[in-house]
Parts: sequence; C-alpha cells; structure tokens
Amino acid sequence: GAGVSQSPSNKVTEKGKDVELRCDPISGHTALYWYRQSLGQGLEFLIYFQGNSAPDKSGLPSDRFSAERTGGSVSTLTIQRTQQEDSAVYLCASSLNGRGTEAFFGQGTRLTVV
Amino acid sequence: SQQGEEDPQALSIQEGENATMNCSYKTSINNLQWYRQNSGRGLVHLILIRSNEREKHSGRLRVTLDTSKKSSSLLITASRAADTASYFCATDGNAGNMLTFGGGTRLMVKP
Repeated sequence: GAGVSQSPSNKVTEKGKDVELRCDPISGHTALYWYRQSLGQGLEFLIYFQGNSAPDKSGLPSDRFSAERTGGSVSTLTIQRTQQEDSAVYLCASSLNGRGTEAFFGQGTRLTVV
Repeated sequence: SQQGEEDPQALSIQEGENATMNCSYKTSINNLQWYRQNSGRGLVHLILIRSNEREKHSGRLRVTLDTSKKSSSLLITASRAADTASYFCATDGNAGNMLTFGGGTRLMVKP
C-alpha cells in the first residue's frame, strides 16, 4: 500500500472487554513498531518486530498486552480486559529494515475505555 | 524510560522568528532522527543525522549533533504558522534497532 494503515481509527470499549488493533505496514518493510501515546505526552514504546527475529516485547506494560505479526506483514495488538488507563492513541510504524532507518507512521487508533 | 528528552517542552514564537529545540539522549547511537506530529496523530519524518555527522540541512531545517554531549538541536528558520506542531527526536541506540522517542517539544507559531 501507499502508507501504513491502521484500523480502526477510533475505538470505544467498555472496561473489561478485549480489543484488537490492526496495522498494515508498507509492503516490503521488515521492521514494525507499536507505540502508545497519552494526551500531550511522548511516545511510549510497546513492541518491535524485525524480520523473523523474536520480537522485542520489553515495552509491553502488562501481560494483558500482546502482539503478533503474521507472515512478516500485518500486525495485531491485543489488549485483554481493558482498563481506563489503557485509553490512548496507539501508533504503528514500519521501516525498511529497522536499524534506525526512517519510520513511517500510521494515523493511529484512538482507544477510549469507558 | 525514554532515551531522548526534548527541551523546551513548549515554545511559542512569532511568525518569521527562528525556533530552536534541543534533544538529549543517554546511550550511544547510530543515528538520530527528528519527527513532526500534527494533531496528536501520525508522525512525519523530517531529517536523519548519522552519528558521524555534525550538521545537516533540509530546506528551512538545520540539525546539529554533538555525540560528546549526547545532544542534538533542531533549528527551524523563518518560522510559519503552519510549523505549529509537536517535534520529537528519536534515537536507535546501538544496543538494539528500535526507535526510542523523547517527550517532544510543542511549538506554536503565532501569525
């Protein structure tokens, strides 16, 4: 595709429900990142995929958060038993081969837990 | 914890003035990047400077890097109202390949 695509754009969910956020990276990009951004704050690293290597999950805030990347392309971030503090914008980015190369961001998913 | 920290957190200037934002980081890097974010959504890449470079230009943007001080600066010359946005630095860190972002500088350019 032309750019990184994230869906849905907005998601409102009830506390305790599970949510899935999707990211379609740029075709051919081997590196994929997930970040979380609370209102007016910086980007909090969540997870990083690079090719066939084991993902770097060091940023996931709790075991309620998980992510997978199927076939080295589409990625899904899952949040189980959502809490109000999970409300944020979740940003996905991809880059050609990681190694600090330019990252291309999607428009994010704004998650609101009520 | 964030690798980079921007300073100042917020900056308000008049159109036509120059805007300078600073970034400090903690560990060794391969390169440092600056990004811009409008309206709290996707970030757009502005410029990348490698660890062996000291200065780089792109249009009205000038980036400097001082690896001895672990710091970088972004200068926007002749600012315009359309430059109003948040600006973030990002470093890769040679311990891993992921990008780590700072807290950002919120720039407001008044017409």
